[in-house]
Amino acid sequence: ETGVTQTPRHLVMGMTNKKSLKCEQHLGHNAMYWYKQSAKKPLELMFVYSLEERVENNSVPSRFSPECPNSSHLFLHLHTLQPEDSALYLCASSQEVQTSYEQYFGPGTRLTVT
Amino acid sequence: ELKVEQNPLFLSMQEGKNYTIYCNYSTTSDRLYWYRQDPGKSLESLFVLLSNGAVKQEGRLMASLDTKARLSTLHITAAVHDLSATYFCAVGRRALTFGSGTRLQVQP
Repeated sequence: ETGVTQTPRHLVMGMTNKKSLKCEQHLGHNAMYWYKQSAKKPLELMFVYSLEERVENNSVPSRFSPECPNSSHLFLHLHTLQPEDSALYLCASSQEVQTSYEQYFGPGTRLTVT
Repeated sequence: ELKVEQNPLFLSMQEGKNYTIYCNYSTTSDRLYWYRQDPGKSLESLFVLLSNGAVKQEGRLMASLDTKARLSTLHITAAVHDLSATYFCAVGRRALTFGSGTRLQVQP
């Protein structure tokens, strides 16, 4: 596998379910990101991790819980979601947490909350 | 709060025509990125503009950056159908703030 991979690619879950999204980067980067892309909003940054430490959290509801066990893996744990959380969730990585470094995006997980 | 505005949001053009997409941002930044996204796909990096006056070209696309005006442009020359996609600009210091995207549709 190369680049940034995400699983699952599609997920349908009920409002009471608990699920997790997984992201893995094979680029040797130190920074990882979660973004949310809704149908009617610009791409929104959710979380930023640098060397497994969360460095930014953009006022994301607590029903989204990130986890970064090492610099290659990033998870987004989901619980008691709302229908408005349906979106494409994109993971990205970059060499370091600075915008002088290009971010590489994974294919995304299309989440539908019913 | 950093704001990034793109216009137009939707652009329908015929093959062979030229057009420009504009990206304005609200606070100082000397780095700007352009991405392309095909329907149902992820974002693909097109250009990274790192300084005032930077110009980069790839095929029929050319991007430029004017940090004093806080403006970047993505110029499309002699459009072809394969360029149909959504184009995003993004700016930031610690992490990127994206514009709303410009959905480009090139008609044969």
